[in-house]
Amino acid sequence: GQSLEQPSEVTAVEGAIVQINCTYQTSGFYGLSWYQQHDGGAPTFLSYNGLDGLEETGRFSSFLSRSDSYGYLLLQELQMKDSASYFCAVRDIRAGSYQLTFGKGTKLSVIP
Amino acid sequence: NAGVTQTPKFRVLKTGQSMTLLCAQDMNHEYMYWYRQDPGMGLRLIHYSVGEGTTAKGEVPDGYNVSRLKKQNFLLGLESAAPSQTSVYFCASRERLAEANEQFFGPGTRLTVL
Repeated sequence: GQSLEQPSEVTAVEGAIVQINCTYQTSGFYGLSWYQQHDGGAPTFLSYNGLDGLEETGRFSSFLSRSDSYGYLLLQELQMKDSASYFCAVRDIRAGSYQLTFGKGTKLSVIP
Repeated sequence: NAGVTQTPKFRVLKTGQSMTLLCAQDMNHEYMYWYRQDPGMGLRLIHYSVGEGTTAKGEVPDGYNVSRLKKQNFLLGLESAAPSQTSVYFCASRERLAEANEQFFGPGTRLTVL
């Protein structure tokens, strides 16, 4: 099966930069995704890495190293509205690439 | 364009009762999913469907059944609810050829089983 590890909680100051790490174990890796979920809300897609390297979308960037089974989400110029839970998720080719397996999430608290 | 909608938003059941959760999407997506989310557990896949008339088991399928009679709808059934099924249930959908596997989620159904 698959397993993902990410920190349960992170606290950062408004305007700063924060990195949320994700390590995974899967024998049929096909890509790493990141989702954001505000309290009481639905998960929303943030980014996807299918190949090694950095993907940038505005203030958010995501990195993948397939050889290290590791990725991270980088949030720059933190804003109070970035306080949310962030989930990494792997796509596994053995499951026909239909499914995502999610990590348990990292709760980010942005403080003034 | 409403995206993914779920009915109902909240429900309280007694142990042993049955209910059906409805998910509808208007994006013409082939794939649909049902997840449950419990505190500290992230999202766990219950069942999914890769097209009308097809369903498959996910990570935690026991105690649930699903049906996909129409492409736009995916129903999740609980035949005999148990307190362990108290959770938030999310439906999601995805385009068949989505390289990034981006899934679009509904607002969730908060279910309490007493």
